Amino acid sequence: GAGVSQSPSNKVTEKGKDVELRCDPISGHTALYWYRQSLGQGLEFLIYFQGNSAPDKSGLPSDRFSAERTGGSVSTLTIQRTQQEDSAVYLCASTPLARLATDTQYFGPGTRLTVL
Amino acid sequence: GDSVTQMEGPVTLSEEAFLTINCTYTATGYPSLFWYVQYPGEGLQLLLKATKADDKGSNKGFEATYRKETTSFHLEKGSVQVSDSAVYFCALHDNSGGSNYKLTFGKGTLLTVNP
Repeated sequence: GAGVSQSPSNKVTEKGKDVELRCDPISGHTALYWYRQSLGQGLEFLIYFQGNSAPDKSGLPSDRFSAERTGGSVSTLTIQRTQQEDSAVYLCASTPLARLATDTQYFGPGTRLTVL
Repeated sequence: GDSVTQMEGPVTLSEEAFLTINCTYTATGYPSLFWYVQYPGEGLQLLLKATKADDKGSNKGFEATYRKETTSFHLEKGSVQVSDSAVYFCALHDNSGGSNYKLTFGKGTLLTVNP
């Protein structure tokens, strides 16, 4: 596709349920990132993929969060046993390579997660 | 660790006013610097960037100069328009070994431009 796409655009769930958020990066982009945008915290890095491997998961806030990427393309961020503090906009970004500090990251529109 | 500090908003200006949004950073390596913008209801998009000292990034009338001596990357526009109303994020991408893959963002500055 022309840009990074994410689904769903909005997700409302009950506390304790599991959710899956999907990201489709720009075709050919090998690097993929997940960020979280929440009130008071700004934009926080969660995890980075280079191809299908995740060399850095240091931003994941707890072991309830996990992510995978298959075929070097689509990525899924899973949050288990959601809590109200997980409510945020989850953003995905991709870039052709992650080797250069000059690379521009291209962001998707985000998934707004609301945990009731 | 790396960090970005930007001017807290909200900032409210009248159309055609001069805009400055301050941004300073700390980084272990030699970072690239970015301004991203988020228009209402839209995703985050790159506004401009600069990759080395004294570089000036510019786009849509906005400018920012990479000042290594003051570790700053202030965003300026000479004459804002109502359509510039958005949230602006300063960010850095540090290329010191092991961290050349994520953006570190400031907390964002909400700009509202009134007609």
